[in-house]
Amino acid sequence: EAAVTQSPRSKVAVTGGKVTLSCHQTNNHDYMYWYRQDTGHGLRLIHYSYVADSTEKGDIPDGYKASRPSQENFSLILELASLSQTAVYFCASSENPSSAETLYFGSGTRLTVL
Amino acid sequence: GDSVTQTEGPVTVSESESLIINCTYSATSIAYPNLFWYVRYPGEGLQLLLKVITAGQKGSSRGFEATYNKETTSFHLQKASVQESDSAVYYCALGGTNAYKVIFGKGTHLHVLP
Repeated sequence: EAAVTQSPRSKVAVTGGKVTLSCHQTNNHDYMYWYRQDTGHGLRLIHYSYVADSTEKGDIPDGYKASRPSQENFSLILELASLSQTAVYFCASSENPSSAETLYFGSGTRLTVL
Repeated sequence: GDSVTQTEGPVTVSESESLIINCTYSATSIAYPNLFWYVRYPGEGLQLLLKVITAGQKGSSRGFEATYNKETTSFHLQKASVQESDSAVYYCALGGTNAYKVIFGKGTHLHVLP
């Protein structure tokens, strides 16, 4: 069974602090993604990666960095957390970039920035 | 632009009642849209419920059905008789040529009363 695990499940951070969200997949998928969801919005793509040591900007990359040190791991980094980054963050993986390909999601990280 | 609009939640129905969650899409930059319904059960990540990649076709899973209607640009989710275990958040999604171009609706929170 495909598996994507995120950590932590929830986090409270202070404004200006650094936050790292982690994602680990055991699917052997090349593609990994970070999305955020805010109240009143659908999931929006922040960064994605199709190979280790390489990341690409998604639709809303400002204020975020991503790191893909291995095929299995993909991190999202907020160097200077801001109130506007309070949201639920989802990591996902897929086998290839075909739009018909199923995305496998983690259970999400609820981030609150105070 | 490309977008997905779905029924605003929360939606509350009683067990054994019928359900429809509306989804309409706009795919101005996507030549051959693929359509998806994802579901997020409490405490879990999003998982694929059903997908249809050909206009005019119907997808079904777990008693849910959705028909890809290109004329009305709709992909409504229906179920004849809901169960309490169907309580979840349902996301309609539109895919283009690449998985990193998947566009999600805001999600519809469904509560099924026993």
